[in-house]
Amino acid sequence: NAGVMQNPRHLVRRRGQEARLRCSPMKGHSHVYWYRQLPEEGLKFMVYLQKENIIDESGMPKERFSAEFPKEGPSILRIQQVVRGDSAAYFCASSHNGGRASLNEQFFGPGTRLTVL
Amino acid sequence: QKEVEQNSGPLSVPEGAIASLNCTYSDRVSQSFFWYRQYSGKSPELIMSIYSNGDKEDGRFTAQLNKASQYVSLLIRDSQPSDSATYLCAPLRGNSGYALNFGKGTSLLVTP
Repeated sequence: NAGVMQNPRHLVRRRGQEARLRCSPMKGHSHVYWYRQLPEEGLKFMVYLQKENIIDESGMPKERFSAEFPKEGPSILRIQQVVRGDSAAYFCASSHNGGRASLNEQFFGPGTRLTVL
Repeated sequence: QKEVEQNSGPLSVPEGAIASLNCTYSDRVSQSFFWYRQYSGKSPELIMSIYSNGDKEDGRFTAQLNKASQYVSLLIRDSQPSDSATYLCAPLRGNSGYALNFGKGTSLLVTP
């Protein structure tokens, strides 16, 4: 499967627990983006990473959320002390070109549906 | 003013007709534009990209871009029931060039 992979597909957490979402980009892609889709809302950009670097985190909440894309392994979106308002679908996308490339096609993974009880 | 505006629909068209989906955006610096299709409960699927004024055709899909009017559209010819989905317009942010700025989408229903 050469597509973007995300796991887990569904994650249930109780308030105050930590959630870890993983994303492996498409083969040959080194640019990773995280988006969040709240119920009845549009997709919102959270963070853009390249290997070992956070390039743009302007969409990330300042508290409790962090992201990384290590040299080896998948990108991780980490949510500490989850609250009910964090319940959403979290999508990862990857691209071959990044930054200011005139064409930056982003391909999405299947998403992780986070439910906070 | 919302950054990306789309009519939420639902837009209902009969099978075999042309579906026309429209999108306006406020970021004048945006240079690249994308259309995604999202079925209920699924992830967005890229169907078209366009970055020059004019038309771009790919199979049954035609994207149209008018940067002066800040307007993007998607035409679907010979619509099929399987085209029933939400269509998301997504300009690439002009100031960063990194993030897609999604509209809320237009729900399309193709009736047999």
